[in-house]
Amino acid sequence: KQEVTQIPAALSVPEGENLVLNCSFTDSAIYNLQWFRQDPGKGLTSLLLIQSSQREQTSGRLNASLDKSSGRSTLYIAASQPGDSATYLCAVRPGGNNRLAFGKGNQVVVIP
Amino acid sequence: GAVVSQHPSWVICKSGTSVKIECRSLDFQATTMFWYRQFPKQSLMLMATSNEGSKATYEQGVEKDKFLINHASLTLSTLTVTSAHPEDSSFYICSAPQGTAGYTFGSGTRLTVV
Repeated sequence: KQEVTQIPAALSVPEGENLVLNCSFTDSAIYNLQWFRQDPGKGLTSLLLIQSSQREQTSGRLNASLDKSSGRSTLYIAASQPGDSATYLCAVRPGGNNRLAFGKGNQVVVIP
Repeated sequence: GAVVSQHPSWVICKSGTSVKIECRSLDFQATTMFWYRQFPKQSLMLMATSNEGSKATYEQGVEKDKFLINHASLTLSTLTVTSAHPEDSSFYICSAPQGTAGYTFGSGTRLTVV
């Protein structure tokens, strides 16, 4: 069974600092990995999707890397802003089915 | 991009009544819809998988008679919480797979049973 762990569970950073969020998974046989953002009481917004054959994806200030062999992904958010305050969820799609395995999230607060 | 429209965004109901939550795929056909439940400060818990034209598949521990799922068309999946009780109060979210494009989620429904 795929298990996904996100560290740290919560963090606060001053505005302007870079954010580094870590995700690890136990089974390297994945189809893809997706990072989501969730605001309180809201649904999930997709940030970046990395296919199993890819090493990283970038979108604006966001960069996500994938090291499938070691079971790790990292989400970097450059020059954080208060609007980046949210919970970030890492989700892994296993290779054998289409059911996502979620981490518990990184709750981020960016202090103005 | 693909959009899943979920309604209502929040609902308050009396204990013992039923509540229906709808998820519509607006610009694509969703043959599969996943239904999740999320408790405060917890991650998403998969409740069931609905497939258009067939019976839903429920996760272990999820009561199929309490959480009725219908996926009668390629653009609509519904979750009905029957005879709701306060312990059913939660945040419910649907999601549709997009093949190689990952997953699209609805905006969620906050259910409060009083």
